[in-house]
Amino acid sequence: EDQVTQSPEALRLQEGESSSLNCSYTVSGLRGLFWYRQDPGKGPEFLFTLYSAGEEKEKERLKATLTKKESFLHITAPKPEDSATYLCAVGSSNTGKLIFGQGTTLQVKP
Amino acid sequence: DTGVSQDPRHKITKRGQNVTFRCDPISEHNRLYWYRQTLGQGPEFLTYFQNEAQLEKSRLLSDRFSAERPKGSFSTLEIQRTEQGDSAMYLCASSLGQGATGYTFGSGTRLTVV
Repeated sequence: EDQVTQSPEALRLQEGESSSLNCSYTVSGLRGLFWYRQDPGKGPEFLFTLYSAGEEKEKERLKATLTKKESFLHITAPKPEDSATYLCAVGSSNTGKLIFGQGTTLQVKP
Repeated sequence: DTGVSQDPRHKITKRGQNVTFRCDPISEHNRLYWYRQTLGQGPEFLTYFQNEAQLEKSRLLSDRFSAERPKGSFSTLEIQRTEQGDSAMYLCASSLGQGATGYTFGSGTRLTVV
């Protein structure tokens, strides 16, 4: 069964304190691993798609990496505006849907 | 096109009543998805359409839930005989094909069943 697990569930950082979020997955035929950001009361906002092990993508202070079993979202020198829930999802070649993890809620304090 | 629109934003209903939500996707997107999200959890897949055809439906979706996408444009999600466990955020998303550049989500409809 396709499955996505994110850790930690919650993370509190001081402004400027870099860290990483983890997404472990099992999927039959990966057609993409997706990272989203979700602010309270809003829908998820697309960040990255990764397709193969070794691939990396960057956007401002965020960098996503992918291995055969997990993905990391690295946050470098975070700012309070980076506070949000970060969701990981996988797409399987057997289905058109995305399967989401439960998310990591990040709080960055000034 | 300003993105995916969902209506209403909030709905409070009494247990046992029927409710219907509407989603207007990005016009050039041929796929439309419905997800449900409860507090502290990630979005849970309900169903998706390619144009007007409903291609997949979650096994967890009870017979009280039905979705339509007439003419391959907007979609409606109806919940009959609502239960308190149906209280959640209902999210709609759309994509062009399998969504290699990601799905675009709406802001959701918050349903509260009292």
